Order: sequence, then C-alpha cells, then structure tokens
Amino acid sequence: GESVGLHLPTLSVQEGDNSIINCAYSNSASDYFIWYKQESGKGPQFIIDIRSNMDKRQGQRVTVLLNKTVKHLSLQIAATQPGDSAVYFCAETHTGGFKTIFGAGTRLFVKA
Amino acid sequence: EPEVTQTPSHQVTQMGQEVILRCVPISNHLYFYWYRQILGQKVEFLVSFYNNEISEKSEIFDDQFSVERPDGSNFTLKIRSTKLEDSAMYFCASSERGGTEAFFGQGTRLTVV
Repeated sequence: GESVGLHLPTLSVQEGDNSIINCAYSNSASDYFIWYKQESGKGPQFIIDIRSNMDKRQGQRVTVLLNKTVKHLSLQIAATQPGDSAVYFCAETHTGGFKTIFGAGTRLFVKA
Repeated sequence: EPEVTQTPSHQVTQMGQEVILRCVPISNHLYFYWYRQILGQKVEFLVSFYNNEISEKSEIFDDQFSVERPDGSNFTLKIRSTKLEDSAMYFCASSERGGTEAFFGQGTRLTVV
C-alpha cells in the first residue's frame, strides 16, 4: 500500500543552524511531493514542492531534495529561526490525483 | 491573499448528534478536500470533490459522512451520527487542479462528548 513516513519524530536545533528533516515514501506512482509546515492550532501551510523529474528545488531558506532511487525526500532549512518551530509534514500525490497522503510529521524545536 | 475559511472554529456535540462543518474554498479553485487530524497524529485524507461529485474517498469516509457543495461558494462535511472517535481537527482544503498544492483552512476542532 501507499505510505509516506518520517525517520524522526522530533528535531531540536540551535537558532542559526541548518535543519534537515527526512522523509521516506513508498508509492512509486507518486510524482509530486510537498512539504507542509503546521504551527500549533493552524492548518498545514505549503512550504515547497518538487516534481519527480527534479532532484532538487530551492526556495527562500528552504531546499527540498528528492532521491527517487531510495524513495527519500528531505527538507533543508538554512539559518533556522525560532519562527521555524512547528511540525513539518512531507506529503505525496500524483499529477491529476485527487488526494494527498501525509507522513507522520516531525516536530522541529529551535533553541534560542 | 485568498484563503480557505472554515466555520465554526470549535464545535462540541453529543454522541449520536449530527454535525455540519462548513468551508469556503478559494474562489477560483475547482478541487475540494476534507482531511482530519486526531490530536498529535498525522493529517488523514477523508474525501475529495470535483465537478460536483466525490472523486475519491478513504476508508474513514463511511456512510456516516457526506459532503455537499450547496451553492457556488460553500463546501460542507456532514457527520450524521457522531461517535467519540470522530473527535479531531477537520481541515478543508482546495486546489486549482488535481495533484497540485492544496491550500488548507484553519480547521474546525470537533469534540464529541
């Protein structure tokens, strides 16, 4: 069956350091991957996405890496700030698909 | 910036009662979704809706659940006879196209007592 999972449930980093959040997926049919950030009491918020024809995509302070060989996805946050503290979910879907499958989530703590 | 809005923010209901959760998706979006999140757990897909019909649903979305787009702006989730285990955050989302970025509302916290 399809599943998207995360390697670590929590991650604690020092303010200013870089953060790396990892994710494994199992559905080879997925061709679109998304990272969402969820702050306490709020809905998931889109951070960055990547399609399966790419292996890297950069945004503002964030980079997503996709390794299709080992079905691995990662989110890198540069110069982590206190405002980055949240739960991060990887998610997968496919072009024209009607649902997005979320992983379990990683809680990022940023220490000042 | 356009956003998905959900009402109410918190709903408390007695077991066995019917509840309707309401959502106003982003106006030019064509795909609509409901997800739920039990406290501390991951976000689970319930149902997607496109072209005035259900396009996909999960095992969670049984006969107790229904969705409706009663007019051009609202999208509702009805739970006919609530159970204790239906207590969760329910998120509505919408997207411009299928298989693309979905925008989520702030959620409705449903508490069944």
